[in-house]
Amino acid sequence: DSGVTQTPKHLITATGQRVTLRCSPRSGDLSVYWYQQSLDQGLQFLIQYYNGEERAKGNILERFSAQQFPDLHSELNLSSLELGDSALYFCASSVVGGRALSTDTQYFGPGTRLTVL
Amino acid sequence: AQRVTQPEKLLSVFKGAPVELKCNYSYSGSPELFWYVQYSRQRLQLLLRHISRESIKGFTADLNKGETSFHLKKPFAQEEDSAMYYCALKGQGGKLIFGQGTELSVKP
Repeated sequence: DSGVTQTPKHLITATGQRVTLRCSPRSGDLSVYWYQQSLDQGLQFLIQYYNGEERAKGNILERFSAQQFPDLHSELNLSSLELGDSALYFCASSVVGGRALSTDTQYFGPGTRLTVL
Repeated sequence: AQRVTQPEKLLSVFKGAPVELKCNYSYSGSPELFWYVQYSRQRLQLLLRHISRESIKGFTADLNKGETSFHLKKPFAQEEDSAMYYCALKGQGGKLIFGQGTELSVKP
């Protein structure tokens, strides 16, 4: 157990809908990352938050947004869902984030499996 | 460009045989590299970090800057090693850039 938790484990929804995925980082970690794992694209970085502020953006669609709250948990919002959004969404956390601290390592949560029908 | 390449999609070996999972990277600067393992599409578990030069579950990996490689090795494969293995490079801002993964299948 990495200490990173994600809810829900599974989500089945229809095209056009909106869902929210939740992540709680390890105790003491300030940085949260979101990744998408799909069969065709592999593991792709979406977005990173550090202590409530957006720090970096990757291949994140405009229909997707995220935020990190004062208690450091993070939510990833996916709207106007399409079939191609079906994937595993992972959250990871680390103490600091960035490359400033070479020992800063990302630990992953169990993921949320999203199925869009 | 920052990139990680794992040339083998699938590697199949017999129990007790040596294993080498290949990883090549492209990065200007000093790379930070990791190996993660994923069993049955569950959570990604950290296996190795190149900076710590540790050995986990008998796996080792050496950073070769000349060949821009970070291959994962184990002298004697076990059936429980069967999983997906991902090589990752810490990119700009700390995000991880993953290779496409190699599925290791260890046959009895």
